[in-house]
Amino acid sequence: GAVVSQHPSWVICKSGTSVKIECRSLDFQATTMFWYRQFPKQSLMLMATSNEGSKATYEQGVEKDKFLINHASLTLSTLTVTSAHPEDSSFYICSARSITTSPNSYNEQFFGPGTRLTVL
Amino acid sequence: SQQGEEDPQALSIQEGENATMNCSYKTSINNLQWYRQNSGRGLVHLILIRSNEREKHSGRLRVTLDTSKKSSSLLITASRAADTASYFCATDYGNNRLAFGKGNQVVVIP
Repeated sequence: GAVVSQHPSWVICKSGTSVKIECRSLDFQATTMFWYRQFPKQSLMLMATSNEGSKATYEQGVEKDKFLINHASLTLSTLTVTSAHPEDSSFYICSARSITTSPNSYNEQFFGPGTRLTVL
Repeated sequence: SQQGEEDPQALSIQEGENATMNCSYKTSINNLQWYRQNSGRGLVHLILIRSNEREKHSGRLRVTLDTSKKSSSLLITASRAADTASYFCATDYGNNRLAFGKGNQVVVIP
C-alpha cells in the first residue's frame, strides 16, 4: 500500500512554456503533500507544502507565482512550473502524508517516483 | 531550516562488505530518518529512529543516534549489488517538513 504516482515521469519543453506535474496518492488519502526539487548529484530541497483545500505554504526563496500548486482533492496535488526556463530543469519529487496519520505520529511520508523536467 | 548533513562520501565496496555512512544535524530533533534513492527515482523510507533511541535495527540495517553529538550513522551489513543507491538522512524541522542531507552514493561491486 501507500503508493504515490507522478505524471509525467519526464517532460521536455521549450523555454517560456508552462508545465504541469501531477502527484497522486493511489491507495490512500493525503491531506498534505510536499513538493521537492533535486538538482543532479544534490539533495532534495523542499519547495512547498500543499494542503488539501487551502493555499500552499512555500519555503523561503521559492517563488509562489513561478511554481503554482493546487491540491484540489485528497488524492491529487499539481505543481505548475510557469514560464519555464532552463534553470528550472530539475528532478521534481512529491511526497504524500496519509490522512490516517495521527498528529503525534512520526512523519510518515510516501514519495513519488519523480518527474524529470528539461527546459530547452 | 535545519539540514541533516552527511559527510560527503562516495563509497565503493565489494559485495558482502559492510557500508557505513554518517549524518549530522544542527538543531534538536524528534526523530531522524534514513532514505534510499536509486538513480533517477523517488525515495524509499528505510528506517526511523526516535530521539530517545540510541540504536535501531531493521534487517541488514543498523542505525545509531547520538543526540549529544547531533549525529547518526547508517550501517548496511553484508552488502548486495542491489544496495547500490544514494542514501539520505532527513530531519523534521516543523510541520512535517523534511530537511535532507547531501546524501551518500554507495556502489556495491558484485
